Amino acid sequence: NAGVTQTPKFQVLKTGQSMTLQCAQDMNHNSMYWYRQDPGMGLRLIYYSASEGTTDKGEVPNGYNVSRLNKREFSLRLESAAPSQTSVYFCASRGTRTGEFEAFFGQGTRLTVV
Amino acid sequence: AQRVTQPEKLLSVFKGAPVELKCNYSYSGSPELFWYVQYSRQRLQLLLRHISRESIKGFTADLNKGETSFHLKKPFAQEEDSAMYYCALSGWNAGNMLTFGGGTRLMVKP
Repeated sequence: NAGVTQTPKFQVLKTGQSMTLQCAQDMNHNSMYWYRQDPGMGLRLIYYSASEGTTDKGEVPNGYNVSRLNKREFSLRLESAAPSQTSVYFCASRGTRTGEFEAFFGQGTRLTVV
Repeated sequence: AQRVTQPEKLLSVFKGAPVELKCNYSYSGSPELFWYVQYSRQRLQLLLRHISRESIKGFTADLNKGETSFHLKKPFAQEEDSAMYYCALSGWNAGNMLTFGGGTRLMVKP
């Protein structure tokens, strides 16, 4: 049981390049989330998906796009990377059925934009 | 809008001392509140949830709706408690946003 899997674990981009961060969960969860973690800023929500086919903006959506490909997968895309997007990115999933409340996190993607 | 505030970025205590990590929130409704912990080189994981009212690893947290607070407490800190702690809030409706605070790094010195 892998839980939440993110790829890649590390990435270095040049300013202006694009990339997609992949996330997959095998717990049949409806909700999925993308966060960025910056020193002193904690975890800030970028986008989330309450269920397959829906996505909503979080606190810091500018410069990002997401796709909820199916129930398992939720990808985050940076169309034109900027140094301000240097961060550690976390994907999480959470069930919405009775008794499900815990969010499960991926191991994180450390992204550096130079 | 929902917001979680953790006023202390760093809390340093000696082993055996009491610990209180502060968390305040704003939410228009009845929130569901959590504490998550991230140990060095490990994934973020749930520590406790307000509704369960249980003690995990000696930690407890009480929801104070009047003060809109959910402070995390432990009477005697251990070195293995050193970690990053995040307070989080969610609405009760299915699929609600899960919002985190800025985090508090707890350092327990020997």
